[in-house]
Amino acid sequence: AQKVTQAQTEISVVEKEDVTLDCVYETRDTTYYLFWYKQPPSGELVFLIRRNSFDEQNEISGRYSWNFQKSTSSFNFTITASQVVDSAVYFCALSHNYGQNFVFGPGTRLSVLP
Amino acid sequence: DTEVTQTPKHLVMGMTNKKSLKCEQHMGHRAMYWYKQKAKKPPELMFVYSYEKLSINESVPSRFSPECPNSSLLNLHLHALQPEDSALYLCASSQGPRTGSLEAFFGQGTRLTVV
Repeated sequence: AQKVTQAQTEISVVEKEDVTLDCVYETRDTTYYLFWYKQPPSGELVFLIRRNSFDEQNEISGRYSWNFQKSTSSFNFTITASQVVDSAVYFCALSHNYGQNFVFGPGTRLSVLP
Repeated sequence: DTEVTQTPKHLVMGMTNKKSLKCEQHMGHRAMYWYKQKAKKPPELMFVYSYEKLSINESVPSRFSPECPNSSLLNLHLHALQPEDSALYLCASSQGPRTGSLEAFFGQGTRLTVV
């Protein structure tokens, strides 16, 4: 069975603070894929990043960075110097079966206050 | 162009109505999905079409009927819905299995209210 846990239900930060969103996953598959999606109030889920289980390199993209630790089954997401536009619900997701079946975590609602 | 277009954006329907949700993508993706999302909850997978064939049906009630007329279009036919079916219905597409590119792109959703 696959499961994704995002322990933080809601986080509030003040603009320009750094914030880390936690994601812990469970799977028995040896090959799997991890994703982060952002859902602003408009409703559309915006793809942010994908990581394959065999690629443990961490990644930085602008103000975003991701830390994949297979040993602890975690795939955490950090926003540096947060901005009000970062306010959204962030979902971590897990997939196997060539990416056809996404299992989403419960989401973390991030509020960035001016 | 990474756009998935869903129509209508909002829909109110009675329990005896028949309506359809539409989804369109022109990215050449061969996998298309329907998800249901209740308020403050994550999306839940309903159906997956792969190469225009239904490959996953997550035990969805028969009052929801998917259809994939071609590789760019995905419909969800609704009939005799219940008020608890009110939710945001999201369509998504991805390049498909065995392509090495697995991320799904989502539409803005149809917010459905059943009265």
